[in-house]
Amino acid sequence: IAGITQAPTSQILAAGRRMTLRCTQDMRHNAMYWYRQDLGLGLRLIHYSNTAGTTGKGEVPDGYSVSRANTDDFPLTLASAVPSQTSVYFCASSYQGSDTQYFGPGTRLTVL
Amino acid sequence: DQQVKQNSPSLSVQEGRISILNCDYTNSMFDYFLWYKKYPAEGPTFLISISSIKDKNEDGRFTVFLNKSAKHLSLHIVPSQPGDSAVYFCAASPLFQGAQKLVFGQGTRLTINP
Repeated sequence: IAGITQAPTSQILAAGRRMTLRCTQDMRHNAMYWYRQDLGLGLRLIHYSNTAGTTGKGEVPDGYSVSRANTDDFPLTLASAVPSQTSVYFCASSYQGSDTQYFGPGTRLTVL
Repeated sequence: DQQVKQNSPSLSVQEGRISILNCDYTNSMFDYFLWYKKYPAEGPTFLISISSIKDKNEDGRFTVFLNKSAKHLSLHIVPSQPGDSAVYFCAASPLFQGAQKLVFGQGTRLTINP
């Protein structure tokens, strides 16, 4: 059982470029989430999805978009990357109504 | 404004002793409180949680205490082991039915010394 996988593991990106971070889970969880982790700020919620076909904005959604075409996949897109989006990005999933989220290993993104 | 605060960036404890990690919150709408543990280059893993109707929850060596009037929670680890060395994040959320929108603290790096 893989749990949650994220790709790529790390990426260096030029400012202004478009980038999609991939997230796949095999636990058939209804809910999925994207967080960014920055030193001194902890993890902050970017976007979330209750079930396939629905998405919602978290604490820091600006500059990011998500889609949830099916249960397993929840990609995060940066339409035009900026240096302030340099961060470690974590995808997570949970059963609806559960207080336990399972996190992927993260993607380290550097925007120059 | 940080709604969940961990004011100690780091904590060093001797193996076998008690580790106490603290967390304060400002939002009275928070109903669930959780602790996550994170090793380098890995995602956070769930450790223990408590709902606002309780003031204590215990799971093996880990106990979480909640003081609602002070808007404060703490995680006690007894006895501390070298494998407990990690970054610990406190998190909170309001009542939820679907997705749980967690608000995290900044994290505390715990080092257990042999």
